Amino acid sequence: LAKTTQPISMDSYEGQEVNITCSHNNIATNDYITWYQQFPSQGPRFIIQGYKTKVTNEVASLFIPADRKSSTLSLPRVSLSDTAVYYCLVGDRYNFNKFYFGSGTKLNVKP
Amino acid sequence: GAVVSQHPSRVICKSGTSVKIECRSLDFQATTMFWYRQFPKKSLMLMATSNEGSKATYEQGVEKDKFLINHASLTLSTLTVTSAHPEDSSFYICSARDTRRASLQPQHFGDGTRLSIL
Repeated sequence: LAKTTQPISMDSYEGQEVNITCSHNNIATNDYITWYQQFPSQGPRFIIQGYKTKVTNEVASLFIPADRKSSTLSLPRVSLSDTAVYYCLVGDRYNFNKFYFGSGTKLNVKP
Repeated sequence: GAVVSQHPSRVICKSGTSVKIECRSLDFQATTMFWYRQFPKKSLMLMATSNEGSKATYEQGVEKDKFLINHASLTLSTLTVTSAHPEDSSFYICSARDTRRASLQPQHFGDGTRLSIL
């Protein structure tokens, strides 16, 4: 299963768009990508999930290029409450027990 | 929808005590649940996969006799830390996936249990 690499931390300001990239160079054909948000002393919360191209929901967009070796979580107009750790997960869509959790990116949103 | 409830949220107990943590899927059924351990400022570390009606699958290096897992129903899995010691102090998190739906479902997480062994 593909391991992932994320930046350790990122800084942003309120109102900006933030893009967090996850590298997964060895992603397999059956693998999908999921992003989670985690606040201190809480469990991760699901943000978005995709397999290829672009996925958008009410809180974020997920961009996956054609080679699928990376994925980018895009958060529009962040606020202070978006300060959290963001994890990407690569998983096998035919074997639910096979997945890899990334090391996480700490996003610091400043006023 | 897709709510996972984890109890208790915090436990403080003496060394040698056994502690049980419950993980419930409130509005869906989960044949598989996962148990994680998280150290400060680190990512989630998968400990074991809990399978309804069968034995759990443990990750390498996780002691089966120390961390007992029971998944007796489609909505409940329990993790029991037996004879806990200070080195077992950590943040434990469970997750569940709605495996009855046709489309690929993400894991949904509980809010974790902070275990402190004195």
